[in-house]
Amino acid sequence: EVQLLESGGGLVQPGGSPRLSCEASGFTFSSYAMSWVRQAPGKGLEWVSTISGGGGSTYYADSVKGRFTISRDNSRNTLYLQMNSLRAEDTAVYYCARDRGYISSSRLFPDAFDIWGQGTMVTVSS
Amino acid sequence: EIVMTQSPATLSVSPGETATLSCRASQSVSSNLAWYQQKPGQAPRLLIYGASTRASGIPARFSGSGSGTEITLTISSLQSEDFAVYYCHQYNNWPPTFGQGTKVEIK
Repeated sequence: EVQLLESGGGLVQPGGSPRLSCEASGFTFSSYAMSWVRQAPGKGLEWVSTISGGGGSTYYADSVKGRFTISRDNSRNTLYLQMNSLRAEDTAVYYCARDRGYISSSRLFPDAFDIWGQGTMVTVSS
Repeated sequence: EIVMTQSPATLSVSPGETATLSCRASQSVSSNLAWYQQKPGQAPRLLIYGASTRASGIPARFSGSGSGTEITLTISSLQSEDFAVYYCHQYNNWPPTFGQGTKVEIK
């Protein structure tokens, strides 16, 4: 069964630096780009970041650029999101998602998110 | 960035009827558009990609149409399990962007 399982969320103080993890199973992890998408309480979906299958290409939303870092360990089938300098507006459920995106001419083309994890809640509050 | 605008915000439909959801893009997204369904407390689920291709396991009552700046999701013969929030998502350009969602509720 194809599955994504996030962990690492919780209550974090403003300025904190948690790291989220997403463990994948049931598919060849290294063959897929992976993304993080977040959803603030009662709000819609917001794309956060994407990484290519090999890890060589990364993309970030302007709202997190310079503060968040996406990475992956293909030997562990795990995706990460290192979050630094957290603000109250970063409070959200963070979903990892398998991305149908593909590489062409050394560029990652985005695509739909076909598998989603159950999400992990990050609450930024003092 | 491309702004995605969904309408209506809320759609009240009776079971068995047809729901038509619209997504308008601020510039052309070609057919690089997906639709997701989200129920309370659950992760989104991919319904449609490429504007009109149903994802694996999605019933035929869900259909997508359109391209460019006007894309539509049609849900025929609404079932009880279809009442949810639906989001469109463009992936034609970086950054990927979502619409604000359409809630389909029971009339």
